[in-house]
Amino acid sequence: GQNIDQPTEMTATEGAIVQINCTYQTSGFNGLFWYQQHAGEAPTFLSYNVLDGLEEKGRFSSFLSRSKGYSYLLLKELQMKDSASYLCAVVSGSARQLTFGSGTQLTVLP
Amino acid sequence: GAVVSQHPSWVICKSGTSVKIECRSLDFQATTMFWYRQFPKQSLMLMATSNEGSKATYEQGVEKDKFLINHASLTLSTLTVTSAHPEDSSFYICSAREVRPEAFFGQGTRLTVV
Repeated sequence: GQNIDQPTEMTATEGAIVQINCTYQTSGFNGLFWYQQHAGEAPTFLSYNVLDGLEEKGRFSSFLSRSKGYSYLLLKELQMKDSASYLCAVVSGSARQLTFGSGTQLTVLP
Repeated sequence: GAVVSQHPSWVICKSGTSVKIECRSLDFQATTMFWYRQFPKQSLMLMATSNEGSKATYEQGVEKDKFLINHASLTLSTLTVTSAHPEDSSFYICSAREVRPEAFFGQGTRLTVV
């Protein structure tokens, strides 16, 4: 089976930096995604990591350590619009299906 | 970028009726499509994986006779919720993938069964 853990909720202040962690246990690992989801909307792609290391894309960065089964999403210069649920999703299996974590609800305060 | 269109965006139906949700990849051929269900304040739960021209693979606990999935072409997959009940009310989301690992999501369908 697969197990993906991420914190349920986080709160941060506008302009700050926040790191959302994700740990996973899976067989046949094929990569890890981070998605952003606003309430009532479909998830939108943020990042994809398949090799160890840091991927930077604007204000968002994502890190992966395959040996540790660990990833984090780093959000810099937080804006109010960043308040959303952030989903960690692992790709695995021959069908390369995505299995999602429970999501981290981030609230950005003024 | 790749676009996945899901229709309808929301639907209200009477208990006992069936509802069909369509998922189309507009500018790419989707070799694999996935159907998810999401209850309020919960994450996406994979219901089934479908490949064009073959039967869908359902996740444990998902009734294949209740949630009929058809992936008849490389650009269209449908999910039919048969004999819907109020507990089937949820947010249903499809995603489609080509050769790249990234899956692209439809807009989602909010189903309310009354």
